[in-house]
Amino acid sequence: KQEVTQIPAALSVPEGENLVLNCSFTDSAIYNLQWFRQDPGKGLTSLLLIQSSQREQTSGRLNASLDKSSGRSTLYIAASQPGDSATYLCAVSPTIKFYFGSGTKLNVKP
Amino acid sequence: DAGITQSPRYKITETGRQVTLMCHQTWSHSYMFWYRQDLGHGLRLIYYSAAADITDKGEVPDGYVVSRSKTENFPLTLESATRSQTSVYFCATRLAPRNNEQFFGPGTRLTVL
Repeated sequence: KQEVTQIPAALSVPEGENLVLNCSFTDSAIYNLQWFRQDPGKGLTSLLLIQSSQREQTSGRLNASLDKSSGRSTLYIAASQPGDSATYLCAVSPTIKFYFGSGTKLNVKP
Repeated sequence: DAGITQSPRYKITETGRQVTLMCHQTWSHSYMFWYRQDLGHGLRLIYYSAAADITDKGEVPDGYVVSRSKTENFPLTLESATRSQTSVYFCATRLAPRNNEQFFGPGTRLTVL
């Protein structure tokens, strides 16, 4: 069974700092990896989808990388803002289903 | 463009009662999913469906029933609610099995007393 781990579980940074969130998975046979954002009491919002053939994807201040062979992905957030405060989840898809990590709770302090 | 809607958004019920959570999508995505999210367990897949009349069990299906008579609807029924089913339930869709994003509804917060 695919296991997805996100470290750290929580992170607090001052506004303006660049930061990296980590995601690791046990089985490298995946089709894609997706990063989500979840605000308290809300649903999941898709941030980035990386296909298995890709190394990275970018959207605005976000950059996600994928290293299938090592079973790792990182989400880089540039120039963090208080509005970035949320829980970030990664999910990998070896077939139809996605397997989720437990998330990293990010707090960006003004 | 509503995307995915879930109803009700909040529900309080009693142990032993039957409860149905509704999920409706406006995109005609083939795949639909039901998850529950609990502190300490993250998101766990309950059931999923590849098309109308095709459903399959996920990680935690016991105590739940699903149906999918129309592509756009995927109701989740708790046949006899238990306190352990108190959770936040999310419906999600996916256009195709590979190389496509998964999109989530706003969730239903269910409390079983």
